[in-house]
Amino acid sequence: KNQVEQSPQSLIILEGKNCTLQCNYTVSPFSNLRWYKQDTGRGPVSLTIMTFSENTKSNGRYTATLDADTKQSSLHITASQLSDSASYICVVNPPNTDKLIFGTGTRLQVFP
Amino acid sequence: DAGITQSPRHKVTETGTPVTLRCHQTENHRYMYWYRQDPGHGLRLIHYSYGVKDTDKGEVSDGYSVSRSKTEDFLLTLESATSSQTSVYFCAISEGRGNEQYFGPGTRLTVT
Repeated sequence: KNQVEQSPQSLIILEGKNCTLQCNYTVSPFSNLRWYKQDTGRGPVSLTIMTFSENTKSNGRYTATLDADTKQSSLHITASQLSDSASYICVVNPPNTDKLIFGTGTRLQVFP
Repeated sequence: DAGITQSPRHKVTETGTPVTLRCHQTENHRYMYWYRQDPGHGLRLIHYSYGVKDTDKGEVSDGYSVSRSKTEDFLLTLESATSSQTSVYFCAISEGRGNEQYFGPGTRLTVT
């Protein structure tokens, strides 16, 4: 079983709509939990980083939430744009290590 | 891409040949990482470096070696490439343990 699982694997939405991506993890506690955006053919780019004690972090139209009790994180995208089409990756940083644990990502497609 | 370049960006090579990928940074960050990304898998750590001449193995280090003779360069070598090493390779940098990791643009390697 993967230590970081994301759902759905893929998602199609219309421009302007909101969406929520899910991340379930087993590593607990952790140093931080990160969400990355990866455009096709590019490297991942950080959207948010949350410590174990935080429960929400925003970056423009992106809001990440964390529920340590259920070991779940969500990434909510508001008023989607065509440029939001990308893969979104949830990453957990266990304590006292640089060895991050990556989810396999959710592929989001935004259509006009 | 946060002052990170990777070379080459694309390479096709034959099984059994040696291959070296280069990561170059202009940020003077202490930590550098090599990952591979394959369909159905999250990014997986191959090797990382926490300073000049200081390196450690990641979860998929077999068949790979690294060297870091100066702060700005981190080399990944496949001594004898195999088809299972066909992948997209990403370099990342960070200022320190637990800090943000910034990714390079990636190198697409095909081993025939």
